[in-house]
Formats: sequence, C-alpha cells, structure tokens
Amino acid sequence: GIQVEQSPPDLILQEGANSTLRCNFSDSVNNLQWFHQNPWGQLINLFYIPSGTKQNGRLSATTVATERYSLLYISSSQTTDSGVYFCAVEQMDSSYKLIFGSGTRLLVRP
Amino acid sequence: NAGVTQTPKFRVLKTGQSMTLLCAQDMNHEYMYWYRQDPGMGLRLIHYSVGEGTTAKGEVPDGYNVSRLKKQNFLLGLESAAPSQTSVYFCASSGYNEQFFGPGTRLTVL
Repeated sequence: GIQVEQSPPDLILQEGANSTLRCNFSDSVNNLQWFHQNPWGQLINLFYIPSGTKQNGRLSATTVATERYSLLYISSSQTTDSGVYFCAVEQMDSSYKLIFGSGTRLLVRP
Repeated sequence: NAGVTQTPKFRVLKTGQSMTLLCAQDMNHEYMYWYRQDPGMGLRLIHYSVGEGTTAKGEVPDGYNVSRLKKQNFLLGLESAAPSQTSVYFCASSGYNEQFFGPGTRLTVL
C-alpha cells in the first residue's frame, strides 16, 4: 500500500518563527488533507489540497502531485499552533480511504 | 449544525465485555469511517461505509464490527473487548472531498 512519511517528527519553535512541514507519499493520490490535532485531541481540517497551493491566514500549503510531496508552511507561529500536524492521502484506487502519516509534533514556546 | 458527534466520550471496559460506539453526522454525507489512534501514531482505518446499508474493512478490522442502518449513523461494536483495543476512536464523514472528524472516544480495556 501507499506509504506516507512526514518530517520532521518533532519541531520546537520560538513564538514568531516560521516553519515548513513536509509530507512525502509513495504513489499517486486522489486526495490529500492536512490536519491539526490540538492538545485536547481534536482533529481540525486545515487544507484539502490534492494539488496546487492554498492559503488560510498564517498557514499555507503546496502539493506537487507529480513529485509526490506536500508542504505546510506556518508563518509567525503562535503558542496555539502547538500540537500534531498530520498529512493524510487517498490512493487513486482506494475508495475514499485516507492513509495517515505519523505526524509532526510542534511545540511553540512563548 | 453539529457536524460529527460521537458517544460516549470516555469508557472503561473489562476484558471480554462488549460495547457499541455511536457516530452521527448531520451533513448528509455518503461516506463514514471509523479510525483508531494509538499513542504517538497517526490514525488507522478500522471500517468504513460508502452509503446506507454498506460496510467494508479497513486496515485493522479484526475484533470490530460495524453497521450503517441509517445514512446519518455509523456504529462500531466490540463484541469481546481486549486490552489491545485500548485506544482513542475517531469517526469521520465525507462527501466527495474532505473528511470531517468527530471529537473522539477514549476507550480503556482493563
């Protein structure tokens, strides 16, 4: 099956810093989503981005489907950005099933 | 518009006991999913449904059963709970693009 790898596994930032999270996947995909799991365990949709670039406030994401990777950019980080960021992909023939990476754990210090 | 809701939020079982987790969505979505999340890991798909009356196996289906008798509800059953099923269980629903997640159920099997 498809492999989803996220890097880095852990990241510590000072408030105000910028960061880039990466998601590599091993096969063609129909769907790619980025989620933020906050410290209370809630999964929050950030982007649905099978290809191209999207921006939402301080967050933006880019997926280059032909090269099988996606990037999540966080600018001017805030303590509320702390948590785990997951990338999840739906393989081309997989009937809408998402395969999750193991996540990037982000801690933003004040 | 409550989105995706899950009951109960927490549960403690003894080995061998049974229970049912309920997921409900009010977005008229066709697709519904059950995932489990173990400490430090991403989510893994247990079972899913592509419409009322249908169910299918995901990555880790053993020890679980599901039913989708109504479009808005997706039930996950544990017939004989085992300590290995201690986890956080998430339900999700989708139309044809993004998946939206419920708040999770934390289950402990002693």
